[in-house]
Amino acid sequence: DAGITQSPRHKVTETGTPVTLRCHQTENHRYMYWYRQDPGHGLRLIHYSYGVKDTDKGEVSDGYSVSRSKTEDFLLTLESATSSQTSVYFCAISEDRRGLAKNIQYFGAGTRLSVL
Amino acid sequence: DAKTTQPPSMDCAEGRAANLPCNHSTISGNEYVYWYRQIHSQGPQYIIHGLKNNETNEMASLIITEDRKSSTLILPHATLRDTAVYYCIVRVSLLSSNTGKLIFGQGTTLQVKP
Repeated sequence: DAGITQSPRHKVTETGTPVTLRCHQTENHRYMYWYRQDPGHGLRLIHYSYGVKDTDKGEVSDGYSVSRSKTEDFLLTLESATSSQTSVYFCAISEDRRGLAKNIQYFGAGTRLSVL
Repeated sequence: DAKTTQPPSMDCAEGRAANLPCNHSTISGNEYVYWYRQIHSQGPQYIIHGLKNNETNEMASLIITEDRKSSTLILPHATLRDTAVYYCIVRVSLLSSNTGKLIFGQGTTLQVKP
């Protein structure tokens, strides 16, 4: 998975509890992304980062926050988990190359989160 | 944002070529076509991309029509391990960065049969 580690791989939690998912890369890529995947919706972008401490919202960012304090780690936090956040979460990375076509995204293996 | 249309499912015999079509009639001149696939329970995997010329790599070939309104991904000799959901994506640019957001549609579920 292109040097991408997501942790944990599986998590079950209760509604209202905070949850943090971690994405760790060993590729030194500038860009990192968090997606969620749900039946009938495909993959949807939650947040992305274009550098250390530089992040922006995706299309489904409500209820999520992110942090990137160093190049290799991108954290996704659910401040107060809800059942609607039960999903499979994927992290992706891409290089910083001039010319948009070069920014191919590589995905991690995913984290399966269940909020009860 | 250019949208893509793919058939929801296709079958292919093992060892034969799999041809997966994609329509992107509203694509703009500087948007690339990307193909990814997702094998069950795994993360999406990049396959190939192109602008207007046909492209080939070790995994597949990409044929883009001259008007760029459609494309076809070709897996020359499909195997059972190619069974997956295949996504055709047109790249969208984000103004705040020099990278592009990938919009995944529903894709085509390719079933390779023995």
